[in-house]
Amino acid sequence: GEDVEQSLFLSVREGDSSVINCTYTDSSSTYLYWYKQEPGAGLQLLTYIFSNMDMKQDQRLTVLLNKKDKHLSLRIADTQTGDSAIYFCAETTSGTYKYIFGTGTRLKVLA
Amino acid sequence: SQTIHQWPATLVQPVGSPLSLECTVEGTSNPNLYWYRQAAGRGLQLLFYSVGIGQISSEVPQNLSASRPQDRQFILSSKKLLLSDSGFYLCAWTTQGSQPQHFGDGTRLSIL
Repeated sequence: GEDVEQSLFLSVREGDSSVINCTYTDSSSTYLYWYKQEPGAGLQLLTYIFSNMDMKQDQRLTVLLNKKDKHLSLRIADTQTGDSAIYFCAETTSGTYKYIFGTGTRLKVLA
Repeated sequence: SQTIHQWPATLVQPVGSPLSLECTVEGTSNPNLYWYRQAAGRGLQLLFYSVGIGQISSEVPQNLSASRPQDRQFILSSKKLLLSDSGFYLCAWTTQGSQPQHFGDGTRLSIL
């Protein structure tokens, strides 16, 4: 079945860039999403990209999609302590109702 | 604007007791609704989804059930809770199609 994989942890220094990676298996994925989860809270949608795009930029966030390798990344520029959270990537395919989530990457920002 | 509400925020229940978690969405019609469970330090497990009133799809066989009595109301229930039902339960909605899901604030369920 479909699978989405992420590394579990990432640690960066405040002010550096963070890059969170995600790989997926479903070649028919239509939309790919990035969510942020702070402790004890629900998931907050950060950004998403349609599969016919290679890149999307939104302020400090840059999403890169390599459809050939089924690889998605989220780059956070000038990472701040408030960016410390768990980041989930997710994918869905047009015509289905299911969204497949990765296991999440815990980002720790060191002051 | 659309909003999603989940309650209660936290719940402590004894093993064998019943459960009812409620989720409502405002500001949209005919949303697709979802229940997920998140175990500590883990990703999201899809439990149920619904694309219309009275329509429920179950993803994982278990002692939980879901109902959708109204267009924008989604309820997660159990007749007898197990220890393994502990976790963080999240409700989400989306418009028709592959639009992004939007999540509630979650319910932390602890079973004693």
